[in-house]
Amino acid sequence: AQSVTQPDIHITVSEGASLELRCNYSYGATPYLFWYVQSPGQGLQLLLKYFSGDTLVQGIKGFEAEFKRSQSSFNLRKPSVHWSDAAEYFCAGYMDTGRRALTFGSGTRLQVQP
Amino acid sequence: DGGITQSPKYLFRKEGQNVTLSCEQNLNHDAMYWYRQDPGQGLRLIYYSQIVNDFQKGDIAEGYSVSREKKESFPLTVTSAQKNPTAFYLCASSRASDGKGTQYFGPGTRLTVL
Repeated sequence: AQSVTQPDIHITVSEGASLELRCNYSYGATPYLFWYVQSPGQGLQLLLKYFSGDTLVQGIKGFEAEFKRSQSSFNLRKPSVHWSDAAEYFCAGYMDTGRRALTFGSGTRLQVQP
Repeated sequence: DGGITQSPKYLFRKEGQNVTLSCEQNLNHDAMYWYRQDPGQGLRLIYYSQIVNDFQKGDIAEGYSVSREKKESFPLTVTSAQKNPTAFYLCASSRASDGKGTQYFGPGTRLTVL
């Protein structure tokens, strides 16, 4: 079955350090992939998306993600984390034409230490 | 301003009662979605609708019902048959009705069963 996996439930980084959040998908073809961010008690905000073309995509708030077909991954990165980046991050993908809806990973909670 | 509104923000229900969560969008999007979010489980799809007067069950539709009488509205009813309804509920919409489009989220409704 098609799935999206975020292996890290919780990550803590120091402010100013680099960040990489992992996302793996299980699908035979190239999926449409998304990263969303959620602050506590809020809805989800789109950070970036990949449909096709350049495998390195830029998003808002200084985030980027790289699609790697060979590794079935779509990891989110940021070179220097700010305290305001503390939130929960969700990877999601469209992979099933019959379903016609996104499949979400279980999320990664990011804490930022001063 | 275009966007998705959900009301109420907080909702309390006694066991055995049905409650209806509102979701309205003025983005002229065709597709609308309802998700349930529980801690550590990410987002799970309850129902989705690709067009007015049509909707499909998602992964956890039991105990929920929806209607789509207007393009801009997609209310969710949590019935007494839902065994554990306490959760955060998110509504989303997308311009593309094939599931591939970017989904935009409302601010959510937190439902608590007393």
